[in-house]
Amino acid sequence: NAGVTQTPKFRVLKTGQSMTLLCAQDMNHEYMYWYRQDPGMGLRLIHYSVGEGTTAKGEVPDGYNVSRLKKQNFLLGLESAAPSQTSVYFCASSYPRTSGNNEQFFGPGTRLTVL
Amino acid sequence: SQKIEQNSEALNIQEGKTATLTCNYTNYSPAYLQWYRQDPGRGPVFLLLIRENEKEKRKERLKVTFDTTLKQSLFHITASQPADSATYLCALDMYYGNNRLAFGKGNQVVVIP
Repeated sequence: NAGVTQTPKFRVLKTGQSMTLLCAQDMNHEYMYWYRQDPGMGLRLIHYSVGEGTTAKGEVPDGYNVSRLKKQNFLLGLESAAPSQTSVYFCASSYPRTSGNNEQFFGPGTRLTVL
Repeated sequence: SQKIEQNSEALNIQEGKTATLTCNYTNYSPAYLQWYRQDPGRGPVFLLLIRENEKEKRKERLKVTFDTTLKQSLFHITASQPADSATYLCALDMYYGNNRLAFGKGNQVVVIP
């Protein structure tokens, strides 16, 4: 099993450009999450999904959109990138809270720089 | 909203000693609390979960305690090794029914040979 994979690993954008980050998991998890991690800020939840076709806002959703068209994939989009979106982005997945297995499995991260 | 505090200063510890990290939180007590390990340039990796009705949990050289009265969790690494050097994150269940977690900023541990 590959676990959680993220594409791309690194990316440099110019202000105003758009891009999509792809997350894929092969553990048949219902829940998926997108986080950003900044120095001194810790992990902050951007958006999450509790199942195919559903998405919801997290703590810092502004400037991002997401889609979960397939259970195994969760896409994070930046429509018009800003320097404030320079960060490391992590995708994670998990079983539902009620399953009793509450741990989240993280991908390797995408390092994004917006100039 | 939940505020989670972990020591921002790195913990430097001699190999073989016990490293102890603290996670303090405000407001409500979570149903469970998790600890993750993060190495530079990598995603966090789950280590342990402790529920509100559990006082202590162990896994190999790791031990976690959970005191809902003090609103605090302690994370111990016994017989520490240089390979234990990493950043350790505390994460709290947010009680939203969808497995959302609130993460602390992490505490770096450096084990000196």
